[in-house]
Amino acid sequence: QKEVEQDPGPLSVPEGAIVSLNCTYSNSAFQYFMWYRQYSRKGPELLMYTYSSGNKEDGRFTAQVDKSSKYISLFIRDSQPSDSATYLCAVDRGSTLGRLYFGRGTQLTVWP
Amino acid sequence: DAGVIQSPRHEVTEMGQEVTLRCKPISGHDYLFWYRQTMMRGLELLIYFNNNVPIDDSGMPEDRFSAKMPNASFSTLKIQPSEPRDSAVYFCASSFALARSNSGNTIYFGEGSWLTVV
Repeated sequence: QKEVEQDPGPLSVPEGAIVSLNCTYSNSAFQYFMWYRQYSRKGPELLMYTYSSGNKEDGRFTAQVDKSSKYISLFIRDSQPSDSATYLCAVDRGSTLGRLYFGRGTQLTVWP
Repeated sequence: DAGVIQSPRHEVTEMGQEVTLRCKPISGHDYLFWYRQTMMRGLELLIYFNNNVPIDDSGMPEDRFSAKMPNASFSTLKIQPSEPRDSAVYFCASSFALARSNSGNTIYFGEGSWLTVV
């Protein structure tokens, strides 16, 4: 079993829709939860970062972590065509910087 | 800052040839990572360095792969001999170790080297 499972999609929504992206992870030792956004032919860039359980909001983006069910989510409100990208979740135990485990990524297209 | 710089951006090579990918991390960063991304397996960590020393190379697929970091501003990933199954996007990333906090740490990725082995 992979450390992180993520449905690769693709996901296609109209502009203005609410988007929900999800991942599950296997090891309860993970403490740091991240969402990276990757535009076509570019490297991933950090979008959201959450420590332990709870919600974190940044503009139109909300990251949610439920450690009891090992489930992490990213919500995008009022989605825009510029949000079209691949979204990767990542988890980290916190014991060693950089040992991130990534999901395969979900490809999102927001059409006008 | 120019960010993480990788070269070449694209490489097409024949099976059996040696491939060398290069990376310049962000100045001042003391962690450097090599990742490989494919459609089937997603993003996988191959190896990472701290202060130029390899810390974990358990993700290196086999002996055909090697990585070096001779100084703080340069790293190479070498594949010799290359095989078609090595075709992927190879990312270099770097980070600066900060004390763990709720604000977290950020790993910065380069734009990748797109490798095709025919």
